[in-house]
Amino acid sequence: DVVMTQTPVSLSVSLGGQVSISCRSSQSLVHNNGNTYLSWYLQKPGQSPQLLIYKVSNRFSGISDRFSGSGSGTDFTLKISRVEPDDLGVYYCGQGTQYPNTFGAGTKLELK
Amino acid sequence: EVQLVESGGGLVQPGASLKLSCVASGFTFSDYWMSWVRQTPGKTMEWIGDIKYDGSYTNYAPSLKNRFTISRDNAKSTLYLQMSNVRSEDTATYYCTRTTGSFDYWGQGVMVTVSS
Repeated sequence: DVVMTQTPVSLSVSLGGQVSISCRSSQSLVHNNGNTYLSWYLQKPGQSPQLLIYKVSNRFSGISDRFSGSGSGTDFTLKISRVEPDDLGVYYCGQGTQYPNTFGAGTKLELK
Repeated sequence: EVQLVESGGGLVQPGASLKLSCVASGFTFSDYWMSWVRQTPGKTMEWIGDIKYDGSYTNYAPSLKNRFTISRDNAKSTLYLQMSNVRSEDTATYYCTRTTGSFDYWGQGVMVTVSS
C-alpha cells in the first residue's frame, strides 16, 4: 500500500497568517495515464470531509484561491494564505493513483 | 445540488451482518464510480472500496475484501455496503463518496458501533 506521511501533526496559526502542510507518499503518485491523483481534504469540526484540491493543484468548485496545492512525484504541499476562522479543522491528503486508495493521518489547524 | 445520504448504521453485535445504504441526488448517479470510506473513532481515514458506474467492477481494501461487499442500484440511485461478520475494529463512521480520481462529494456519514 502507498503510505501517506503528513507533517506536521498540528499547526497553530494567527488569523491572517499563512501555513504549509506537507504530504509525502512512499511511492510515486504518477498514474499510467500521466495524471497525479493527489488530493487535499478539510474536515471541519462535526462535519464530513470536503474536497479542496484535486490532481495536486486544482481547486475544487467553490474553493477559495487562498488554498493552493503544489508538488510532484512523492512530495506535495498545501498552502493556506490569509487564514480565516472557517479554515480551522483537520486537513488530510489522499491518493487515488493506486489501489488501495490511502490517506494521510491528518494535520490539525488551530488558532494561535 | 449533489447530495449523498447514508442510512442503516447503529449498534451491532460482533459476528453479525449489516447493510448500509446511500441515496444519491443532484447528479446522474449511473455516470460515476462511487466509494465507501470510513473514519475510525481515532479519526483515521480508511478507504473501503469502490464500484464502477455500471456496477460491473469493484475494488476493495485487501483487509476487508472477504467481509465487505459493495453494490449499487442505478435505477434507485442507491449505493450499498454489505458488512458481514463484523468486528469491534469495524466501529467507525462510514461515508459514501462520489469518486472522480478524488472523493469530490461526501455524505454526512453513518455511525456503526460493533459491541456486545
